[in-house]
Order: sequence, then C-alpha cells, then structure tokens
Amino acid sequence: SQKIEQNSEALNIQEGKTATLTCNYTNYSPAYLQWYRQDPGRGPVFLLLIRENEKEKRKERLKVTFDTTLKQSLFHITASQPADSATYLCALPLSGGYNKLIFGAGTRLAVHP
Amino acid sequence: GAVVSQHPSRVICKSGTSVKIECRSLDFQATTMFWYRQFPKQSLMLMATSNEGSKATYEQGVEKDKFLINHASLTLSTLTVTSAHPEDSSFYICSARDGQGANEKLFFGSGTQLSVL
Repeated sequence: SQKIEQNSEALNIQEGKTATLTCNYTNYSPAYLQWYRQDPGRGPVFLLLIRENEKEKRKERLKVTFDTTLKQSLFHITASQPADSATYLCALPLSGGYNKLIFGAGTRLAVHP
Repeated sequence: GAVVSQHPSRVICKSGTSVKIECRSLDFQATTMFWYRQFPKQSLMLMATSNEGSKATYEQGVEKDKFLINHASLTLSTLTVTSAHPEDSSFYICSARDGQGANEKLFFGSGTQLSVL
C-alpha cells in the first residue's frame, strides 16, 4: 500500500541556519507532492507544490526538491527564524479520483534564538 | 487566498450525545470537501469525501452511520458525530479546493477539538 514517511524526531536548529526536512514514499508514483505547515491546534496551511517533472521549486526562503528515482522530497528553510517553528507535513495525491490527499505524520521543527 | 471557516473550534460533550461540525468556504464554491481527523502527534487521516448534492464517500474503516456528512450547498458541509464516545475524541479538520483556480492544493479549516466525556 502507499506509504509516506517523515522523520518523527523533532528537528532542533539554531536561528539563521538552514533546516532540511525529508519525505520518503513507497509503492507510489505521484504526479505531484505538496508541503504544508501546521501550528498546534490549527489546520494545515499550504506552502509549496512540486510536480513530478520538476526537480526543484523555490518560494522566498523555502526550497523543495523532488527525486522520483529515490522517491524522496527534501524541504529546506534557509535563514531560519523562531517563527518558522511548526510541524511540516508532506502530502501526496491518492489515486482513485477527487485528487484526495494523504499526509505524512509530519516533522516538528524548533528554531532556537 | 481562499478561506475555509470551521465551527465550533472546541466542543466538550457527554458520551452518547451527537455533535455537529460545520465547514464553510467563504469566498469560493467547493463542490468537494474533505474531512480528516488527527490524533495527537499523528498524521491527518482522511475520513471521507463530501460531494455537493450527493452522498459522501467514506474511507475504509470509517463508519458512515457514525459520521454523518451532509453537503447541501456549494459552500457548506457538515459532519455529525452521532452517539459520541470517548474514543471519538480527536481533532477534526475539513478542507476544500477552490475549483476556480489551480485545484491541487487544499485550504483547511482551523479544526474542531472534540472531547467526549
């Protein structure tokens, strides 16, 4: 069955450094992959979408890569700030219509001053 | 961007009662909405797909008689947890796509924390 894996361990980094989060998937060939941010007690907020024919996508301090051979996406936040502290979720579309999304468990990022 | 409003944000109820959660798309029409639930430190689990004017489709393992979904208009979907029990306590989140624009990304409501005593 389709499976998404994100590092369940929290990532602690110093302000100003680059945070790198990993999303791996198996038994799957998605047409695109998405990244969301979720703050405690809130719904996720969309950040970036990258398609299978794109190697890299950037938006301000965010960068996403998509390696369909490795079945992996990397999510980078450069010049990280304490306000970037949140849980980051990777999401992929399920087959079967309606473009349903399934989510990884997320990785919690803590940026320390 | 598109806004999805979800109410209530928090509800505490006694075991055996029913709870209704509303999800509205404020500035766009949503023919399809999705309902997720999330346990602490776990992934969002898709429960069902709500379709305007037709029956919802439920994911495997989700009881349709327990979680009633109604999508009566293009801007409103409701989830009713019937005869709630403590094991139904969870964070419920709705989401929708803005059919007018790029339709892959989801806009989420702020979630409803349900606590069943």
